Amino acid sequence: KQEVTQIPAALSVPEGENLVLNCSFTDSAIYNLQWFRQDPGKGLTSLLLIQSSQREQTSGRLNASLDKSSGRSTLYIAASQPGDSATYLCAVLVANAGGTSYGKLTFGQGTILTVHP
Amino acid sequence: NAGVTQTPKFRILKIGQSMTLQCAQDMNHNYMYWYRQDPGMGLKLIYYSVGAGITDKGEVPNGYNVSRSTTEDFPLRLELAAPSQTSVYFCASSYSRHLGSGNTIYFGEGSWLTVV
Repeated sequence: KQEVTQIPAALSVPEGENLVLNCSFTDSAIYNLQWFRQDPGKGLTSLLLIQSSQREQTSGRLNASLDKSSGRSTLYIAASQPGDSATYLCAVLVANAGGTSYGKLTFGQGTILTVHP
Repeated sequence: NAGVTQTPKFRILKIGQSMTLQCAQDMNHNYMYWYRQDPGMGLKLIYYSVGAGITDKGEVPNGYNVSRSTTEDFPLRLELAAPSQTSVYFCASSYSRHLGSGNTIYFGEGSWLTVV
């Protein structure tokens, strides 16, 4: 059974710092991995998606890497801002025996990020 | 374009009561999902549907039922509510199961349910 773990559970940093959020998964047979952002009282918004054949994806100040063989992904946020404060969730899409997916995401428990001015 | 719409936003139920959480999407997506999120935890899949008339169980289906009579709607039914069902419920939809570039999963804003 796929399990996803995120470290740390919470992180508080001053504005301007570069930071790294970690995600690990137990089964390397994944179709892809996504990082989501969740604001209080809101749904989830997809930030970055890395296909299983890719190593990294970048969007603005965000960079996500994937090491499928070791079961790890990192989300790097450069020059953090107070507006980055949110919960960040990692989720893997499990691959089936045919190499495609069932469309079912397995989530980590999230990292609560606070960026203070 | 409203995306994924969930109602109600908040609800308090008494033990043993029943209710239905409504979910509608206007993107003509085939796949729809119900997740629950407990405090400090990630989301867990309750049920999903691959199209009208077709539903299947996820990781935590006990105590819930779903139906998919139309492409747009995917209601989640709670029968005989229990305190363990206190959670935040998220509905989501996607065009296909192969989530990826150009095929994003969209989430509703959640329904907060408390069972007392």
